[in-house]
Amino acid sequence: DAKTTQPTSMDCAEGRAANLPCNHSTISGNEYVYWYRQIHSQGPQYIIHGLKNNETNEMASLIITEDRKSSTLILPHATLRDTAVYYCIVSDTGANSKLTFGKGITLSVRP
Amino acid sequence: GAVVSQHPSWVICKSGTSVKIECRSLDFQATTMFWYRQFPKQSLMLMATSNEGSKATYEQGVEKDKFLINHASLTLSTLTVTSAHPEDSSFYICSARPPKTQYFGPGTRLLVL
Repeated sequence: DAKTTQPTSMDCAEGRAANLPCNHSTISGNEYVYWYRQIHSQGPQYIIHGLKNNETNEMASLIITEDRKSSTLILPHATLRDTAVYYCIVSDTGANSKLTFGKGITLSVRP
Repeated sequence: GAVVSQHPSWVICKSGTSVKIECRSLDFQATTMFWYRQFPKQSLMLMATSNEGSKATYEQGVEKDKFLINHASLTLSTLTVTSAHPEDSSFYICSARPPKTQYFGPGTRLLVL
């Protein structure tokens, strides 16, 4: 079973920031928070991951609460091409670790 | 990010035939690759973990004799759907992992008639 809970869907206006929440209250100390997205009929695309510190890359920012029980993915300036299903996944990085996908959140960016 | 490719991108076959799907890591070596299946409007479901030089590990409910996995090199894993039936029609996606992060291929859409 997925260890995360996400809202089913959300939308935002093009050019505005999209803030996607995720709850992972049972996260273990050695588990990272990963975010992937899947645009229709494509394989998942890696976005970002973090352990406890906030992270930023060219695609997004990841804000993890101090107790690590929740996080927020921020797309600073959403475009129409960011419309996708976004998956928040917790996993360790061991040799046998697996990614278990939940239902994700469908982000719709409107013009 | 790292690049993972799949071939073919889509395939249509007759019921009862076998179909082979290739997954390659193009710019890194992967001792472990993963195979997922995704039905319409559903999430990805892990089918098996492919380990280079050893037998694959299958998830509960996945028939290992039907979904044959061969991970013969550090850059190639293959999934063969044997005696395919219409219910095997799905989107098959592989992934590979350099340290810490998994990268996914573009997927292979299989339609069994």
